[in-house]
Amino acid sequence: DTGVSQDPRHKITKRGQNVTFRCDPISEHNRLYWYRQTLGQGPEFLTYFQNEAQLEKSRLLSDRFSAERPKGSFSTLEIQRTEQGDSAMYLCASSLATGGAGGYTFGSGTRLTVV
Amino acid sequence: GQQVMQIPQYQHVQEGEDFTTYCNSSTTLSNIQWYKQRPGGHPVFLIQLVKSGEVKKQKRLTFQFGEAKKNSSLHITATQTTDVGTYFCAFRPGGGNKLTFGTGTQLKVEL
Repeated sequence: DTGVSQDPRHKITKRGQNVTFRCDPISEHNRLYWYRQTLGQGPEFLTYFQNEAQLEKSRLLSDRFSAERPKGSFSTLEIQRTEQGDSAMYLCASSLATGGAGGYTFGSGTRLTVV
Repeated sequence: GQQVMQIPQYQHVQEGEDFTTYCNSSTTLSNIQWYKQRPGGHPVFLIQLVKSGEVKKQKRLTFQFGEAKKNSSLHITATQTTDVGTYFCAFRPGGGNKLTFGTGTQLKVEL
């Protein structure tokens, strides 16, 4: 598999429940990013990892959100006590640490609906 | 923080017509990337520009970075139905690792 994989593709959850999403980046890519996209908007940066280190978090990322990349390979994004405003497409992307010339490779995303 | 605005927000064209989207910043950008997102799909990287006045072509697509590095454009010659989607410009503030996306231009192509 040469692409970025995300699981699940869709998630419907009740308000107040916790959800966890998984991202498997391209194996050669040491940088991994999480973005959130709502309808009609561009992707918004949430956080990024270089290997296992989380190097930057957006102020958009409340304390209900946590991301990990324990072995520098796959990553998980957990949302605790979900709210209706969390409904969005959660996109994962990966890249090489070469100045971005090759761009980011995005996965197909996980669409979260909070009811 | 730095932001970029894209115009137009929407564009409907007849197949065969040309299309241009513009990306504008109030501050100098160190780089600009362009992505295409098909309806229901995810962003796909098209190109990165870093040099002042740079022009790059990919078949019917022409990308340009302004001399002052404050604006960029994507021009599609003779649009086809396969060009349908939303085109985003994006940049890495200060050349760092966080990619910040513009507002996007949604292109619809009618037969």
